[in-house]
Amino acid sequence: AQKITQTQPGMFVQEKEAVTLDCTYDTSDQSYGLFWYKQPSSGEMIFLIYQGSYDEQNATEGRYSLNFQKARKSANLVISASQLGDSAMYFCAMREGEAPKTSYDKVIFGPGTSLSVIP
Amino acid sequence: KAGVTQTPRYLIKTRGQQVTLSCSPISGHRSVSWYQQTPGQGLQFLFEYFSETQRNKGNFPGRFSGRQFSNSRSEMNVSTLELGDSALYLCASSVLGGLGEQYFGPGTRLTVT
Repeated sequence: AQKITQTQPGMFVQEKEAVTLDCTYDTSDQSYGLFWYKQPSSGEMIFLIYQGSYDEQNATEGRYSLNFQKARKSANLVISASQLGDSAMYFCAMREGEAPKTSYDKVIFGPGTSLSVIP
Repeated sequence: KAGVTQTPRYLIKTRGQQVTLSCSPISGHRSVSWYQQTPGQGLQFLFEYFSETQRNKGNFPGRFSGRQFSNSRSEMNVSTLELGDSALYLCASSVLGGLGEQYFGPGTRLTVT
């Protein structure tokens, strides 16, 4: 079963508009972290924002905010005032809590959403 | 502060050969993780090293191995290369690993012919 779901393979947004990228996750751990990364065509993964499972406030970093709904297991990324440079792949990822060394796949990435910003 | 560096950036190898990739983390970061990215499988976690010890391991065959040195630099080795090993290999570092955020290097693009 997929642990990270990003239902939007591709999205378009008008420059200066806000856009929400969806992410749902599945875990039975109480302690986990959720991340969003941006990957431009150059290939480098750029860390955007982090939300811990125990954080009560939604994380914000500049134009990025994370809409964290724990009960729904949802961690959507909101980009405000889109810019042309925001065109990239966006990945939602989860890192689950501590486990025995025999545990595998503790860091999971979603399939990504391709965002295109239109001038 | 310098970012995560990976060498080489591009590599072409033939089937059956072995390859070693290098990653230098951000100064002060003790955790280094490796990922494989392919169009078909997406981003998959290979392993994580912390203070020279492998702390976590993804679901990859034993041909994939790694190590970390006392200065936190890490190397990843793939032996007996297969065509399916062609991928972008990304290294990420963080202060403590675990639930902290990671910072990625530019990646090494490996092509196996």
